[in-house]
Amino acid sequence: AQSVTQLDSQVPVFEEAPVELRCNYSSSVSVYLFWYVQYPNQGLQLLLKYLSGSTLVKGINGFEAEFNKSQTSFHLRKPSVHISDTAEYFCAVIYTGTASKLTFGTGTRLQVTL
Amino acid sequence: ETGVTQSPTHLIKTRGQQVTLRCSSQSGHNTVSWYQQALGQGPQFIFQYYREEENGRGNFPPRFSGLQFPNYSSELNVNALELDDSALYLCASSLGGVSPYNEQFFGPGTRLTVL
Repeated sequence: AQSVTQLDSQVPVFEEAPVELRCNYSSSVSVYLFWYVQYPNQGLQLLLKYLSGSTLVKGINGFEAEFNKSQTSFHLRKPSVHISDTAEYFCAVIYTGTASKLTFGTGTRLQVTL
Repeated sequence: ETGVTQSPTHLIKTRGQQVTLRCSSQSGHNTVSWYQQALGQGPQFIFQYYREEENGRGNFPPRFSGLQFPNYSSELNVNALELDDSALYLCASSLGGVSPYNEQFFGPGTRLTVL
């Protein structure tokens, strides 16, 4: 079955500290990988995506992620978080042959405090 | 450039009723996808429309149906509402069909509560 796992439902972190949000996916086929952010009472905003090429991708707001095919992972990182990064983060995958159907993980709540 | 808009923002219905949710795609986008996001969960794919034709469906029963109009706006209809249908319904539009290379832009969602 095609699935996306975000093991951490909540990640508390102090402002200016680094953070990593983990994402693993099940796959025996090629994939396209995405991270979205959702602020309260809003829709989803694309942070970054991996489609092909370099396995290290950079996105908006200082976030980056690395595609690791052998570990079927696509972890999201930021070297120094800000209070405004507090939000829900979703990892999503498009599996080859499923057109553009996004399969989402259950989300990680990033809580940044002073 | 106008983004993806959805209406209404909130809606309360009772079990057994029917509901229609609406989505206006971003200008020029010919593909729209609908997702259901239950509380505390990630969005789940309902179906996708490309140039007015259904082009893929997730694991949802037939009482979930949709339409895409010539101007590429879209409707999601749900019949015989159940309590578990309570969720945030998101639509996303993209340009150029069903390639994963075409970014999907999400609307703010419609919050449906079924009592």
